[in-house]
Amino acid sequence: RKEVEQDPGPFNVPEGATVAFNCTYSNSASQSFFWYRQDCRKEPKLLMSVYSSGNEDGRFTAQLNRASQYISLLIRDSKLSDSATYLCVVNMQTNTGNQFYFGTGTSLTVIP
Amino acid sequence: DGGITQSPKYLFRKEGQNVTLSCEQNLNHDAMYWYRQDPGQGLRLIYYSQIVNDFQKGDIAEGYSVSREKKESFPLTVTSAQKNPTAFYLCASISRAGGGEQYFGPGTRLTVT
Repeated sequence: RKEVEQDPGPFNVPEGATVAFNCTYSNSASQSFFWYRQDCRKEPKLLMSVYSSGNEDGRFTAQLNRASQYISLLIRDSKLSDSATYLCVVNMQTNTGNQFYFGTGTSLTVIP
Repeated sequence: DGGITQSPKYLFRKEGQNVTLSCEQNLNHDAMYWYRQDPGQGLRLIYYSQIVNDFQKGDIAEGYSVSREKKESFPLTVTSAQKNPTAFYLCASISRAGGGEQYFGPGTRLTVT
């Protein structure tokens, strides 16, 4: 079983739409959670960390449900510039250090 | 500006040759990581290092080697033993004192023919 699973999409939505991405993780010992954005042929860039209380950054809202081992990302009022692949990332502290596990990414295209 | 640099951006090699990818960071980060990304797949961990002179194998270490002689540098060698070396290679680092998020370099796209 994969450590982190995401729906690969693609999600094609019109400008202004609201879109939600989900992610599940398999190890209940996971400690930190993140959403990264990756543009085509570029490196991933941190979009936001995810906390149990939920957190919001402008049009983006992230939520963590530890009981269900589930992470979500909501994008409101989608812009053309939101088109990218969104990676769900989970972090665990092991006896050999911090390890990160990546989902395969969810592709979003915002259409004019 | 602080950050992570990887060079070169594109690299072409013939099969059977070893090649070394560079990763340098001036963020004073302790831990550094090497990942490989293939189309349609998530990032897969090759090697990581928590401190100088120490490193651990990741999930797909076979055919790769690393060194960590300096805190700032974590070069990756793709050896001829790696069966499918063509991929996008990403280097990342984190600060132990930070919030845990990784910072990535711009990547090196390696093509082996």
